[in-house]
Amino acid sequence: DTEVTQTPKHLVMGMTNKKSLKCEQHMGHRAMYWYKQKAKKPPELMFVYSYEKLSINESVPSRFSPECPNSSLLNLHLHALQPEDSALYLCASSQPTGTGPFEQYFGPGTRLTVT
Amino acid sequence: GESVGLHLPTLSVQEGDNSIINCAYSNSASDYFIWYKQESGKGPQFIIDIRSNMDKRQGQRVTVLLNKTVKHLSLQIAATQPGDSAVYFCAESNLYGKLTFGQGTILTVHP
Repeated sequence: DTEVTQTPKHLVMGMTNKKSLKCEQHMGHRAMYWYKQKAKKPPELMFVYSYEKLSINESVPSRFSPECPNSSLLNLHLHALQPEDSALYLCASSQPTGTGPFEQYFGPGTRLTVT
Repeated sequence: GESVGLHLPTLSVQEGDNSIINCAYSNSASDYFIWYKQESGKGPQFIIDIRSNMDKRQGQRVTVLLNKTVKHLSLQIAATQPGDSAVYFCAESNLYGKLTFGQGTILTVHP
């Protein structure tokens, strides 16, 4: 199984809502990632988890809160978002970081619209 | 600072032609490079990778070339097919998993 799954596929939320994005992989990977991708732009790294610990936070606003409950799951909790946060949110996984760069496998993304 | 970029934002080819997509990088310390394909509405899909101790790597219909002297990366697609139409990103990865993407090239294959 080389699949990374993400739910929901689409999400529309107001600026006062609280919602969560979910990501799951069963490849035994111990590194998981969140990326943000605006239209016609490349993905931009937000967070990296390695062995369920947050290892990289690319100065992401606190209205985005990541969580890694176990080695297969990654969540992104959203609260008080702004319309400019509307984007495609991509999850990825790979072999553990720190032991060498490895290919990252991406999920299909969650298309988020903030109204 | 680090940057990975592309020379051409769009490329149009006829079905059956060979395609070449180019990428320049600026971090000479980079040691791992990846090409991804992204179709509309989907996440990036791994195509091929190459480490800095190599200058060429081949896959099925794809070849990646790395020229460290001029910090240049290219992806060659043989016998391009309509299903190859997508945005292609080069990316550079460091040891800790930080992936830096180039701006992307839109490849359009005409039947």
